[in-house]
Amino acid sequence: AQKITQTQPGMFVQEKEAVTLDCTYDTSDQSYGLFWYKQPSSGEMIFLIYQGSYDEQNATEGRYSLNFQKARKSANLVISASQLGDSAMYFCAMTVPDTGRRALTFGSGTRLQVQP
Amino acid sequence: DAGVTQSPTHLIKTRGQQVTLRCSPISGHKSVSWYQQVLGQGPQFIFQYYEKEERGRGNFPDRFSARQFPNYSSELNVNALLLGDSALYLCASSSGRFVEQFFGPGTRLTVL
Repeated sequence: AQKITQTQPGMFVQEKEAVTLDCTYDTSDQSYGLFWYKQPSSGEMIFLIYQGSYDEQNATEGRYSLNFQKARKSANLVISASQLGDSAMYFCAMTVPDTGRRALTFGSGTRLQVQP
Repeated sequence: DAGVTQSPTHLIKTRGQQVTLRCSPISGHKSVSWYQQVLGQGPQFIFQYYEKEERGRGNFPDRFSARQFPNYSSELNVNALLLGDSALYLCASSSGRFVEQFFGPGTRLTVL
């Protein structure tokens, strides 16, 4: 079974600063995918970034980058130049395609608040 | 292109009733998954359908059922509602194996 752990229930960051949201995962599978989603108060889950277990380079998408450390089983999200609109819940998730399904296992989330 | 759509947006039911939630995937997506998100927690996987067949089921009781139609839209049914079924129900669609799942806005179910 897979497990995602997010140990930061809440984080504060000043506008224009960078912030790192922690995520560790546990799986015995060699092939897996790691995702970060943003959930504003409206409820919709917004895809941010993806990292495959065999990807050698850390994934980047605009202001988002994923710090992937395979040996430590961590997949931290780094948001650069925080904006007020970044205030939301952030979820780390993983999928193990070889199980025959594409279901996501989510962590408990981190609430990020960006202060002006 | 339209994203994933879900209906209704909000729903209020009483204990013991039955509810049907609907989801339309992004055009061209053949996989639909359902998730339950209780307040303050991350989403929990309920079902996954691909090409109209059930491909996975999470740890939910038999009161929960789903199906996928030939046009790839999907319904989630919950019978004999309990107070603990109050949650945001999210539908997600995807097109392939290693690509992201796109989520709809969710249906917020309140059971009184």
